[in-house]
Amino acid sequence: GIQVEQSPPDLILQEGANSTLRCNFSDSVNNLQWFHQNPWGQLINLFYIPSGTKQNGRLSATTVATERYSLLYISSSQTTDSGVYFCAVWVGETSGSRLTFGEGTQLTVNP
Amino acid sequence: DAGITQSPRHKVTETGTPVTLRCHQTENHRYMYWYRQDPGHGLRLIHYSYGVKDTDKGEVSDGYSVSRSKTEDFLLTLESATSSQTSVYFCAIRSSGTDTQYFGPGTRLTVL
Repeated sequence: GIQVEQSPPDLILQEGANSTLRCNFSDSVNNLQWFHQNPWGQLINLFYIPSGTKQNGRLSATTVATERYSLLYISSSQTTDSGVYFCAVWVGETSGSRLTFGEGTQLTVNP
Repeated sequence: DAGITQSPRHKVTETGTPVTLRCHQTENHRYMYWYRQDPGHGLRLIHYSYGVKDTDKGEVSDGYSVSRSKTEDFLLTLESATSSQTSVYFCAIRSSGTDTQYFGPGTRLTVL
């Protein structure tokens, strides 16, 4: 099956710093999502991004499908950004389509 | 949150007992999913449904069964719980309009 690799596995920042998280995938995908799991365990959809760039406030994401990677940028990080960031790719056709997740990047933002 | 609720939110049970987890959605989405999340393994798909009475296996389906008798409810059953099934279980839907997946709040299950 498809492999999804995220880097770095862990990241510690001071509040106000910028960061880039990377997601590589081993095969062509239909689509890609980024999620944030907060310290309380809630999984929050950040971006649905098959290609190109999207921005939402301090967060932005870029997917280059032809080169099989996606990047998540966090600018001016805040303590509330802490948690685990997951990349997940959609594979399969129609009713069989499903998400395959990477192992995540654990982000800690210190005040 | 796409109108997804899970019940119970926490459960402690004993090895060998049956357990049913419920996922309920209010927005008439066709696709529903069950995942488990364990340290070191991330999120893994157990079963999914693409319509009423239409279900299929995911990558870690052994020991689990599902049922979907109506659009809004997707049930996950552990016929005879084992300690290896101690985990956090997440339900998710796939939004019909955008193909985006949204997750429920999760159920923490402990099998003693």
